[in-house]
Amino acid sequence: GQQVMQIPQYQHVQEGEDFTTYCNSSTTLSNIQWYKQRPGGHPVFLIQLVKSGEVKKQKRLTFQFGEAKKNSSLHITATQTTDVGTYFCAVHAGNNRKLIWGLGTSLAVNP
Amino acid sequence: KAGVTQTPRYLIKTRGQQVTLSCSPISGHRSVSWYQQTPGQGLQFLFEYFSETQRNKGNFPGRFSGRQFSNSRSEMNVSTLELGDSALYLCASSLELGELFFGEGSRLTVL
Repeated sequence: GQQVMQIPQYQHVQEGEDFTTYCNSSTTLSNIQWYKQRPGGHPVFLIQLVKSGEVKKQKRLTFQFGEAKKNSSLHITATQTTDVGTYFCAVHAGNNRKLIWGLGTSLAVNP
Repeated sequence: KAGVTQTPRYLIKTRGQQVTLSCSPISGHRSVSWYQQTPGQGLQFLFEYFSETQRNKGNFPGRFSGRQFSNSRSEMNVSTLELGDSALYLCASSLELGELFFGEGSRLTVL
């Protein structure tokens, strides 16, 4: 079945450094969603990308959908301790539109 | 608008017992999905219900079952509990193919 590879699995940064996580698929995606889960919390929806080459920004977060719609990235500029958590990508796949999840990237920020 | 409500929040069971978890979706959401989350394993999809019908199913043994009622509330049941079933069980509701709204989760400990 379809798989979504998310890298890196873990990332430690100093506060103020940038951070990027990538989500890759071997097949063309119809859309991609990004979620954030704080430690001890539940996943919270961040954004959905649909169009080829689409770029969306939310304050310090920049989301991009690849031109071939096979990969996506989430970039955080000047990380803050509030950015700590696990970032997941998820894609709809198959005729039954099942949601496939990446394993997530856990971000730790040293103050 | 009330969010997704899961009960109970915490529970402890012993091996061989069975457990039922409940999820009340956001009003108007007809899709309810269930996930199992364990440290380092990301979000493992259990099943999705839409209008009382199971629309998608993950790769879990038959001990894991669920159902959805006419008011969209959903329950999942795990029979003959094993130690490895200890996890956070997350419920999420959504409109058709939209973003998922997660509940706080039910943390199950099997002794």
